[in-house]
Amino acid sequence: GAGVSQTPSNKVTEKGKYVELRCDPISGHTALYWYRQSLGQGPEFLIYFQGTGAADDSGLPNDRFFAVRPEGSVSTLKIQRTERGDSAMYLCASSSPERDDNEQFFGPGTRLTVL
Amino acid sequence: AQSVSQHNHHVILSEAASLELGCNYSYGGTVNLFWYVQYPGQHLQLLLKYFSGDPLVKGIKGFEAEFIKSKFSFNLRKPSVQWSDTAEYFCAVNPSYSSASKIIFGSGTRLSIRP
Repeated sequence: GAGVSQTPSNKVTEKGKYVELRCDPISGHTALYWYRQSLGQGPEFLIYFQGTGAADDSGLPNDRFFAVRPEGSVSTLKIQRTERGDSAMYLCASSSPERDDNEQFFGPGTRLTVL
Repeated sequence: AQSVSQHNHHVILSEAASLELGCNYSYGGTVNLFWYVQYPGQHLQLLLKYFSGDPLVKGIKGFEAEFIKSKFSFNLRKPSVQWSDTAEYFCAVNPSYSSASKIIFGSGTRLSIRP
C-alpha cells in the first residue's frame, strides 16, 4: 500500500514569507506526527495529532509554527514569517494506535530552505 | 535533562567487521525503544524495536539490539557488516505509557563501510 507522502519535496522561500507543508498519512492511521531534522541531528518532535486534534504540541518552537488536520487525515504544517533558522528537513510520520508498539512510518520529508 | 545519547558520530568499518553502536537514554519508567535507519537518499525506516519481553531483539538485515535496563542502554549490533549497511542510524525512545506519542531521537551515527 501507499506510504506517507509529503509535498513539496523541496521548498525555497525568502525570509519573512509564509509557507505550508503538506503530509498525507497512511490510510487508516489516526495518529500523525511532525518532526524537524536539522543537518547532522536526529529528528526533533514538533507536534502529534490523534484524529483531528493536537494531542501534544509541546515541540513547536514558537507561535510562528502551527499545524492543522481538519478531517483527521491530511495535515498541513504552517510557518509564518519564516527565518533562516527554520531551514531544515520537515518529516511527517503516521501510526496506528491499534498497534501496541507505536511504530511510526515516516515520509520522505520536505526540505525547507529560507534564504 | 531527558535525552537519548549516541556516543559515536561517525563509524568507519571494513566489510565483514563486527558492529556495535552505542545508545543510552535518561528516561525513567517504561519505555519503548527503537533503532531507525536512513539509507542515502531514502527516508527513515524502522530497523528494530523493543516493546517488552526478551531484551535481545532481532531486526531486519541481520541487526540485533540488547536492552539493558540497569544501564539504560539499547546498543545495536551486527556480527558482519556489508557495504550496503552504509547509512545513518538513529536510536529513539518513546518515553510514555501511551502507545501513541512522540519519539525522542538521538543525534544519529553515520556508518561508512569500506568495500
